[in-house]
Amino acid sequence: AQSVTQLGSHVSVSEGALVLLRCNYSSSVPPYLFWYVQYPNQGLQLLLKYTSAATLVKGINGFEAEFKKSETSFHLTNPSAHMSDAAEYFCAVRGSGGSNYKLTFGKGTLLTVNP
Amino acid sequence: ETGVTQTPRHLVMGMTNKKSLKCEQHLGHNAMYWYKQSAKKPLELMFVYNFKEQTENNSVPSRFSPECPNSSHLFLHLHTLQPEDSALYLCASSQEVAGGKTDTQYFGPGTRLTVL
Repeated sequence: AQSVTQLGSHVSVSEGALVLLRCNYSSSVPPYLFWYVQYPNQGLQLLLKYTSAATLVKGINGFEAEFKKSETSFHLTNPSAHMSDAAEYFCAVRGSGGSNYKLTFGKGTLLTVNP
Repeated sequence: ETGVTQTPRHLVMGMTNKKSLKCEQHLGHNAMYWYKQSAKKPLELMFVYNFKEQTENNSVPSRFSPECPNSSHLFLHLHTLQPEDSALYLCASSQEVAGGKTDTQYFGPGTRLTVL
């Protein structure tokens, strides 16, 4: 069984400020972890993924996330928010087994960037 | 056309109508998925097709009927829907290797469905 908890359904930051979006997971097998972003009226776009290689994963648009097994966390950060980063962000987990393809998503965090 | 495409982007239908959503992937993947995204709820996996065979039906009501004629196309046939079925329906695809590693799911832009 697997689950994802995203703390905070809405995060608001100023332009240029640090962005921190929290994600905690539970999984009975070593996980693969993903962050997706959804801009208004669009589908989900992959930001970055962790698949048991480096624990610090770099994605697009300056985002990165660090896998911390001891904390069962995969928080997403960006050192400097841009107005264009305003969107909804989803954390997702899946098992790393060959037949375990099912993605379990969190409820999402809406990021607002203020000028 | 690249990636995963979905048509139509918007659909309004009455409860007695029959309509179909179409998804096409141009990535050479062999697995396709339908998800439902409702406001304030996590994405819900509805159906999975792997190598053109349905491998998962996540307790979806029979008024939703999937069809996967080949590995590039996926349809969702709709009939006698309810207002609570109004949502964004997302299609995704991925490359799955039987017994081996599985890959990232790539999503289409979605169809915004409104049931009156």
